[in-house]
Amino acid sequence: QQQVKQSPQSLIVQKGGISIINCAYENTAFDYFPWYQQFPGKGPALLIAIRPDVSEKKEGRFTISFNKSAKQFSLHIMDSQPGDSATYFCAASAQTGANNLFFGTGTRLTVIP
Amino acid sequence: NAGVMQNPRHLVRRRGQEARLRCSPMKGHSHVYWYRQLPEEGLKFMVYLQKENIIDESGMPKERFSAEFPKEGPSILRIQQVVRGDSAAYFCASSPQYGQDNSPLHFGNGTRLTVT
Repeated sequence: QQQVKQSPQSLIVQKGGISIINCAYENTAFDYFPWYQQFPGKGPALLIAIRPDVSEKKEGRFTISFNKSAKQFSLHIMDSQPGDSATYFCAASAQTGANNLFFGTGTRLTVIP
Repeated sequence: NAGVMQNPRHLVRRRGQEARLRCSPMKGHSHVYWYRQLPEEGLKFMVYLQKENIIDESGMPKERFSAEFPKEGPSILRIQQVVRGDSAAYFCASSPQYGQDNSPLHFGNGTRLTVT
């Protein structure tokens, strides 16, 4: 079963707008929540990550919001640019055990000029 | 400061042949992970290895698939007797020694396997 559920599947945003991608999880053992950005023909690259002890983390135009009680987290891209057009994956992993990540199914973001 | 290197980038095999995918982790990384990505889907964990040890292979099919990470040389993902359903992008990732604050995974650019 899908351990991490991601929506929307695709997203079109005007340049300068805000892109919002949402993820939800069930496993309360998850304690590390990264977001990856993937361009066509490339591997995923770590964008930003958060732990459940904070509710928000911001790095430049990218912000993760985390709601522990709802088991949800989201990525906000402020002032979206055409260069942000890519597929974004949320993921989750647990500290204990193997360090493998469970990925969402991805959101294809298109930022139009 | 080379990243994770995967080769070949593209691999075409006929049904029944063997596919070998190679992955050299980042310098200083001793943990290797293999993921499979089907079109329009996320990455699915397959196997997690350290040098000469398989730590977790819970995501790998029981038959035809095997992985190794020898003391010397790259990690190898081997698929025997490939079928069309094996067509996918296979990504390798590496991280520093496990336990250090959930060391982030660094991914290679993948090997795209096509089975004809």
